[in-house]
Amino acid sequence: AQSVSQHNHHVILSEAASLELGCNYSYGGTVNLFWYVQYPGQHLQLLLKYFSGDPLVKGIKGFEAEFIKSKFSFNLRKPSVQWSDTAEYFCAVRRNTGGFKTIFGAGTRLFVKA
Amino acid sequence: DTAVSQTPKYLVTQMGNDKSIKCEQNLGHDTMYWYKQDSKKFLKIMFSYNNKELIINETVPNRFSPKSPDKAHLNLHINSLELGDSAVYFCASSQMPGQGNTEAFFGQGTRLTVV
Repeated sequence: AQSVSQHNHHVILSEAASLELGCNYSYGGTVNLFWYVQYPGQHLQLLLKYFSGDPLVKGIKGFEAEFIKSKFSFNLRKPSVQWSDTAEYFCAVRRNTGGFKTIFGAGTRLFVKA
Repeated sequence: DTAVSQTPKYLVTQMGNDKSIKCEQNLGHDTMYWYKQDSKKFLKIMFSYNNKELIINETVPNRFSPKSPDKAHLNLHINSLELGDSAVYFCASSQMPGQGNTEAFFGQGTRLTVV
């Protein structure tokens, strides 16, 4: 069955530290990849997405992610986090053909200390 | 001009009651979804409709019944509510895969509390 794994459930960083959140998926076909962010008490918002082309994608708020097809990975990075980045981060995968659902990872809760 | 709107935002009800959550999208998308987010923040898809037709029905109790009167609306009706139904329910919409590279857009969520 298709699955999405996020390796870190809780991450605590100090401001200005660098961030990398891991994401691996199990589906072998063509996929669309997403990172969503959910700030406390709010709905999910798209950070960035990958459909095709350059495997290094840049999103909002200084986030970027790299698609490595051979590793089935789509890790999220930010060189210097801010207190306002405290949120829950979700990796998501959608099959590009024949499927209609987006599968989400379990989420990573990031807390940034001021 | 909210893209995906859900009502109500909060819903507190007693066990055994029947309740509905409404969802509307004005993005012109063909596909709509309901997701359930539990207390541990895990997001799980429940249903997906494409042009008013049920496409995905995950393992969800049949007390949950989605209804799509048109492709811009996907409502969720829940019968005989149980304590375990307490969660945040998110509606979302997207283009069909292969018909446009768009992500899923989410509504604000409905926090359902069953007491």
